[in-house]
Parts: sequence; C-alpha cells; structure tokens
Amino acid sequence: DTGVSQDPRHKITKRGQNVTFRCDPISEHNRLYWYRQTLGQGPEFLTYFQNEAQLEKSRLLSDRFSAERPKGSFSTLEIQRTEQGDSAMYLCASSLITSGWGLMKNEQFFGPGTRLTVL
Amino acid sequence: TQLLEQSPQFLSIQEGENLTVYCNSSSVFSSLQWYRQEPGEGPVLLVTVVTGGEVKKLKRLTFQFGDARKDSSLHITAAQPGDTGLYLCAGQGPMDKPGGTSYGKLTFGQGTILTVHP
Repeated sequence: DTGVSQDPRHKITKRGQNVTFRCDPISEHNRLYWYRQTLGQGPEFLTYFQNEAQLEKSRLLSDRFSAERPKGSFSTLEIQRTEQGDSAMYLCASSLITSGWGLMKNEQFFGPGTRLTVL
Repeated sequence: TQLLEQSPQFLSIQEGENLTVYCNSSSVFSSLQWYRQEPGEGPVLLVTVVTGGEVKKLKRLTFQFGDARKDSSLHITAAQPGDTGLYLCAGQGPMDKPGGTSYGKLTFGQGTILTVHP
C-alpha cells in the first residue's frame, strides 16, 4: 500500500503526559500537512511542510505542540503536557506540488488518522 | 463563524432517492475539494474543482464549482446504502482574506452526514 500511513492509530494517555505521532506521506510527495478533527466537525489545519521546511502554523498550534519533518520524508507531531481538550483525531495528509497549476489544485491525500484520548 | 458552510448537516433518505449537498462561502477559493469520510478513518478525496463553473461527474455523483469560486454542490443520483458517510467540502485559500492567498492549507466545512436506508 503506497498511501499515507500514520502511527499509532489510537493513543490513550493521562493528562500531563507527552505523546508523539508519526506520519509517513506518499513517497514522492513534497508537502505534508497536519490537521485536527473533533467529533462532529470538519478537520482544522494545524501546520504544513514543504520538504523539510515548516511553511505555516495555525494559531491552534500552541507552544505545547511541535512538528518536525527532519529529512523531508516522514513527520512527527509531539504534544507536551497533554490536556483533555487535546482529545481529537489527528490527521496527516500529503500532496505533490510541481507547478503553478499543481499549486492551484493541491490535491491532499489523507492518512487514517491517530485517535488521541486524554484521560 | 464557519468560513465554509455546508448544508444540510444531516440527511437521511431512502435508497434510490436523489440528493444535493451545498457548500457556501463569502470567500473565493483557488480550488475546492470534496471528501468522503467513514467513522474512524481519514477523509478520502472524491474530486477537485478549480475553474469557476466547472462540472465534474464521478459515476452517480456530480460536482459543481460556482462561477465566482465561492460555492460548490454535490449531487447524488439514485443514492445507495454504500453512499452512507460524512461528506466534507474543503477550499484551498481563501484568496480574499487578510494575509493574502494561502496556497497550502485546506479550510473545511463542518460536513454533511448522509444515511441511505435500504
């Protein structure tokens, strides 16, 4: 399967603990995105990378959140000192941008998500 | 306030009926994507529309992008139980908000939960 993969699929943690999620994008894709989705809502943008550069971060991404994509391939999203309000589905997506038209279209392909529950 | 308003939020119909889901905004988007999501899974891309007035068909699904690139619709003909799921529209941009164009993030609507009964 050459789609976007995420690990773990489910994570249950206690308030105050740190958690880290991993995303492996489609292999030739140069852009990688993180979104968060709570029940009954559409996904909300958190941040995205082009290769290893983090190009945009949402105001939703507090200081407790950090994302990296060190070699321009897989990415990690870490949440420090988790709070109950962090409970959500964390989604990763990737896209391939090679031209202006591709930039206009920017089709993003999503992974299965990591469901985080903070107790 | 949602940047992209989807309606209706819930739709419960019988197999064989037709339906339309709307995605409206006061902002202009460079492109708009429709996704379908199953419980516990990530969204699956159905279609991308880029040109104002564009119409795309995917079997029984017809997607339309408004002339001004501010709205879109998804029409399903002869719905089947397998069409059940959460339908999400997502716009790239917007292009006309402070800060300029953001060719990167998608802005999602809140989704339409469709249930098709056999």
